[in-house]
Amino acid sequence: GAVVSQHPSWVICKSGTSVKIECRSLDFQATTMFWYRQFPKQSLMLMATSNEGSKATYEQGVEKDKFLINHASLTLSTLTVTSAHPEDSSFYICSASGTDYGYTFGSGTRLTVV
Amino acid sequence: QQQVKQSPQSLIVQKGGISIINCAYENTAFDYFPWYQQFPGKGPALLIAIRPDVSEKKEGRFTISFNKSAKQFSLHIMDSQPGDSATYFCAAVSAGFQKLVFGTGTRLLVSP
Repeated sequence: GAVVSQHPSWVICKSGTSVKIECRSLDFQATTMFWYRQFPKQSLMLMATSNEGSKATYEQGVEKDKFLINHASLTLSTLTVTSAHPEDSSFYICSASGTDYGYTFGSGTRLTVV
Repeated sequence: QQQVKQSPQSLIVQKGGISIINCAYENTAFDYFPWYQQFPGKGPALLIAIRPDVSEKKEGRFTISFNKSAKQFSLHIMDSQPGDSATYFCAAVSAGFQKLVFGTGTRLLVSP
């Protein structure tokens, strides 16, 4: 089956620094990748959608200068949280979609900003 | 119109019982309805999915019932086990919209 690898699984960083999260589709080409944020006991909140080689489309209210998304290839997308602050602490999840209707999720990244 | 309403918010079922989670939608353009299972600290994993041209789909202990006219679909977990304790999300998507619309989630606890 389709596998999406997300790294790191957890990261702690100091306030003001930047953190990069990688999302790779291991056995299929991901034409579209999605980035979500999830708060405790809540549903997934879509942050942005990216298509390979195109600029990401951000959801309303998501700061595109803070959450930089790069989808440089059909198997890799990255999310960089720039100048992270404690309020950016959250669980970030990527999802990849190929040519069929499948949406495969990564295992998530727990970001803690101290 | 892009919302998917999910109930209940939480559910406690005894081992061996049937767990039932319901979802309702408004957008008739939705044409793919997946259910995801999420354990704490992990990403969601696809459990089972259905398209609106069938009224029921069964995979092992998991069954989706789909009522197109009522715009409702539900997940039934038969012979529920403690290992099924997790959060379940229904979702919906249309070919034209591309983005999954998630329900609010149901926290299931199966007591031993």
